[in-house]
Amino acid sequence: AQSVAQPEDQVNVAEGNPLTVKCTYSVSGNPYLFWYVQYPNRGLQFLLKYITGDNLVKGSYGFEAEFNKSQTSFHLKKPSALVSDSALYFCAVRDGSSNTGKLIFGQGTTLQVKP
Amino acid sequence: DAGVIQSPRHEVTEMGQEVTLRCKPISGHNSLFWYRQTMMRGLELLIYFNNNVPIDDSGMPEDRFSAKMPNASFSTLKIQPSEPRDSAVYFCASRTGTSYNSPLHFGNGTRLTVT
Repeated sequence: AQSVAQPEDQVNVAEGNPLTVKCTYSVSGNPYLFWYVQYPNRGLQFLLKYITGDNLVKGSYGFEAEFNKSQTSFHLKKPSALVSDSALYFCAVRDGSSNTGKLIFGQGTTLQVKP
Repeated sequence: DAGVIQSPRHEVTEMGQEVTLRCKPISGHNSLFWYRQTMMRGLELLIYFNNNVPIDDSGMPEDRFSAKMPNASFSTLKIQPSEPRDSAVYFCASRTGTSYNSPLHFGNGTRLTVT
């Protein structure tokens, strides 16, 4: 069965500092990995995905994520955080060995960027 | 593109009443997902449809929950009878069917409160 874990409930960073939001996964086949962001009272919005190719994936709003197969991780990063990045972030995984499009989300990590 | 449209935005009902949540996916998308979000359990996949056919309903909590997709532009999630523990935000999401790795597009959710 596929699963994804976000070990931190909350991450606090100062504006201008780099940020990392952690994600690890477990699948039977090849992993297809995604990051989404949720602002208050809104639905989730797609940020970026890893399907194949370069391990470093770039996405919206200056975010990037690094796929590490040996550590089964897909951490979200940004070189310089903005106060407006404060939101709830979800990692998600689809198991490539499955012939369905089922997408499973982690518990979410609240990112708080302080001025 | 109007995005995924959910109605109502808020629903307050008494225990034992029937509740119907509605979703209009993005035109041309042929996969539709229902998720439930709570503080305790995070974002849970309830059911998803492909070409109006339910593919995986293993996340539906119990027989009180049912979902239908009578055509490509409309889906409902019904709870009968409702219970206080059903209180949550329910999200509908759709995706183009060209690839299982296409991003999900979420509606803004329905916040259900059962008293």
